[in-house]
Amino acid sequence: GENVEQHPSTLSVQEGDSAVIKCTYSDSASNYFPWYKQELGKRPQLIIDIRSNVGEKKDQRIAVTLNKTAKHFSLHITETQPEDSAVYFCAASIGAQKLVFGQGTRLTINP
Amino acid sequence: NAGVTQTPKFQVLKTGQSMTLQCAQDMNHNSMYWYRQDPGMGLRLIYYSASEGTTDKGEVPNGYNVSRLNKREFSLRLESAAPSQTSVYFCASKAANTGELFFGEGSRLTVL
Repeated sequence: GENVEQHPSTLSVQEGDSAVIKCTYSDSASNYFPWYKQELGKRPQLIIDIRSNVGEKKDQRIAVTLNKTAKHFSLHITETQPEDSAVYFCAASIGAQKLVFGQGTRLTINP
Repeated sequence: NAGVTQTPKFQVLKTGQSMTLQCAQDMNHNSMYWYRQDPGMGLRLIYYSASEGTTDKGEVPNGYNVSRLNKREFSLRLESAAPSQTSVYFCASKAANTGELFFGEGSRLTVL
């Protein structure tokens, strides 16, 4: 079935450095790609999303890029801060109603 | 505006027992979802409801049933709980104009 692969599963970076998380998807019809952040013990919350008619989107320190040909998309966080420590999930749309999530990346920012 | 509310937050069951997780949203969303979250597995879709009166299976529906009681409420039932159903369950509703999912706080279920 349709799936989303996310890498790496854990990522540790120094405060101030950049972090990159990558995802690949299998359904060529997917057209919506959100990223969710989940802090420890909390619910997932949307941080940024991109649609298939756009190659890149930026919101302050976070950006997402999409390569439809290769079926992969990435999350970039610059100038990382301690509050960026969390689990990040990518997702891809399947049809009009469903989202399939990646396995998650635990990001740790070291002071 | 409470968003998505789910109950209970914690539950311990014995194998074979049944229970229902309740979810309600006050954002007038048509679509609602139940996901389970397990370590290293991400969020996996159990069932969803695109609108009042309809329900469909997701990736991992076996052992679960759902009811879309009305536009606000979407419940998840475990008829005969198994240890493999130990997980954190999240209910969500979707904003039709943006596609954003709004999640509840989660329900941690342990089956002994």
